[in-house]
Amino acid sequence: DAGVIQSPRHEVTEMGQEVTLRCKPISGHDYLFWYRQTMMRGLELLIYFNNNVPIDDSGMPEDRFSAKMPNASFSTLKIQPSEPRDSAVYFCASSFSVGPWANVLTFGAGSRLTVL
Amino acid sequence: GQQVMQIPQYQHVQEGEDFTTYCNSSTTLSNIQWYKQRPGGHPVFLIQLVKSGEVKKQKRLTFQFGEAKKNSSLHITATQTTDVGTYFCAGPPGTYKYIFGTGTRLKVLA
Repeated sequence: DAGVIQSPRHEVTEMGQEVTLRCKPISGHDYLFWYRQTMMRGLELLIYFNNNVPIDDSGMPEDRFSAKMPNASFSTLKIQPSEPRDSAVYFCASSFSVGPWANVLTFGAGSRLTVL
Repeated sequence: GQQVMQIPQYQHVQEGEDFTTYCNSSTTLSNIQWYKQRPGGHPVFLIQLVKSGEVKKQKRLTFQFGEAKKNSSLHITATQTTDVGTYFCAGPPGTYKYIFGTGTRLKVLA
């Protein structure tokens, strides 16, 4: 398996523009997580899904952020409109809920977002 | 909400010295995991502890889970330059909501 795949790896945009980050989890994983990492706030859990259904979005900073998981192999995190304070590395992670590797998070390489 | 703090925030050691990072949660955890993130990389799973008082070893790394399941530690014996990175603990209060600690950044001086 190629692991968790995220795109784009780097994104530079201007304030006010829409940003869409994409994630392909590991095949068979039934949990998917979106995290944001900054120096000031560390690794923050934004939202997580189970079997494509959002379970907890209490970490989503505000209405400008939205996440979807239309099927088991694809998720998006959208920011509209983007602001400079959204600059961060956004990680997607996935895991099994059962079996010997249950609950072990496998992270993607991350999407580094810079909002000017 | 749940908070997971780690100390120290930074640690510089000479190669060959030991290193310990401590993780403290404001709530009881059902289990605790440890991850390592190399500079410029992504977090990579190291180990999971489930039982109260559990101790696990991986070569030079020793992991402990506290009796009250609210704290944990990672000890590295005789650090090497390959140990450089940030070490995170992560735990869910009861479900799959993995909250990451603040992290300890380790620098090993050759």
